[in-house]
Amino acid sequence: GIQVEQSPPDLILQEGANSTLRCNFSDSVNNLQWFHQNPWGQLINLFYIPSGTKQNGRLSATTVATERYSLLYISSSQTTDSGVYFCASYYGGATNKLIFGTGTLLAVQP
Amino acid sequence: ETGVTQSPTHLIKTRGQQVTLRCSSQSGHNTVSWYQQALGQGPQFIFQYYREEENGRGNFPPRFSGLQFPNYSSELNVNALELDDSALYLCASSFGIGYEQYFGPGTRLTVT
Repeated sequence: GIQVEQSPPDLILQEGANSTLRCNFSDSVNNLQWFHQNPWGQLINLFYIPSGTKQNGRLSATTVATERYSLLYISSSQTTDSGVYFCASYYGGATNKLIFGTGTLLAVQP
Repeated sequence: ETGVTQSPTHLIKTRGQQVTLRCSSQSGHNTVSWYQQALGQGPQFIFQYYREEENGRGNFPPRFSGLQFPNYSSELNVNALELDDSALYLCASSFGIGYEQYFGPGTRLTVT
């Protein structure tokens, strides 16, 4: 089955710094999503981005489907950005099950 | 517009017992998927329901079963609980198959 790897696994930033999170896929990317999981476990939708680039405030994402990767950019990080970031790709034909990556644990320090 | 809701928030059960978790989908959504997230890992797909029919299943034993009701809400049932079933259980709803999925807050199950 499809394998999804995320890097880096852990990241510590000072408030105000920028960062780039990467997601690599072993198979074709299909309807990729980025999520932020807060400390209470809630998965918050960040982007639904099969290809191309999208921006939402301080966050932006780029998916290059032909090269099987996606990037999440966080600019001017804030302490509220802390948590785990997951990318996930749809897989399985008639079932749109999400295959999640290994996650990136981000800690933003004041 | 109401988002995805789940109940209960937390649950403690004893090994061998049975548990039922509930999920209300977002308004207008007819597809519900369930995921299990063990500590320190990403969510793992359990199964999906589309218009009250099971539409795909992950690598979970038959003691994990589910239902979807005419209003598209859903239940996850787990029989003969094992210690390894301790996890965060997440449900997600979507407008249809292949559409963006939106997650509920989860149910944290502890099996002792």
